[in-house]
Amino acid sequence: EVQLVESGGGLVQPGGSLRLSCAASGFTFGAYTMNWVRQAPGKGLEWVSHISGSGTPIYYTDSVKGRFTISRDNVKNLLYLQMNSLRAEDTAVYYCARAPYYYGSGSYSFDFWGQGTLVTVSS
Amino acid sequence: DLQLTQSPSFLSASIGDRLTITCRTSHDIANYLAWYQQKPGKAPKALIYAASTLQSGVPSRFSGSGSGTEFTLTISSLQPEDFATYYCQQVNSYPLLTFGGGTKVQIK
Repeated sequence: EVQLVESGGGLVQPGGSLRLSCAASGFTFGAYTMNWVRQAPGKGLEWVSHISGSGTPIYYTDSVKGRFTISRDNVKNLLYLQMNSLRAEDTAVYYCARAPYYYGSGSYSFDFWGQGTLVTVSS
Repeated sequence: DLQLTQSPSFLSASIGDRLTITCRTSHDIANYLAWYQQKPGKAPKALIYAASTLQSGVPSRFSGSGSGTEFTLTISSLQPEDFATYYCQQVNSYPLLTFGGGTKVQIK
């Protein structure tokens, strides 16, 4: 059974840092691209970052470039999101999501998601 | 930037109703669109990829169609467990993805 379990969220002051983790099990972790997606309270979904199975390439949404760093450990089956210089607008539930490539259609989807971890940036 | 516009934003419906949600994109994305369902306090669940292909385990009352700039998610007969918020997602510019604003389906 595929499982993704996020941890590391919490309350942090503006300008502070947090590192989120996503523990993966039930599949060959290194074979899959992984993503972080966030959802501000009462708002919609926002893609944050992507990392390929090998660790490169990496991509970020513009609002987090230079502040967030995505990484992975394919031995420990862990995905990370290091978040620095946090702002109030980064307050959200952060989800990790698996993104398989569907060879038949040449398309993608986020087929499994973790339960999310809440990050609150406030003084 | 590629924009996704879902309509309606809110929808009231009854059990057994046929329901259609529309997702329009600002640029032609062929069939590179996915749909998700999210219930309050829960993670999104994948429903459809490549505009019309059901994810494994998704009930057949769900269907997707469209290509280019207009897409639809249809629920043929609404069930109690279908009351949720639905999101479309373009994957044409993968990995730089965007989601639609969501459609909340409420009980009438």
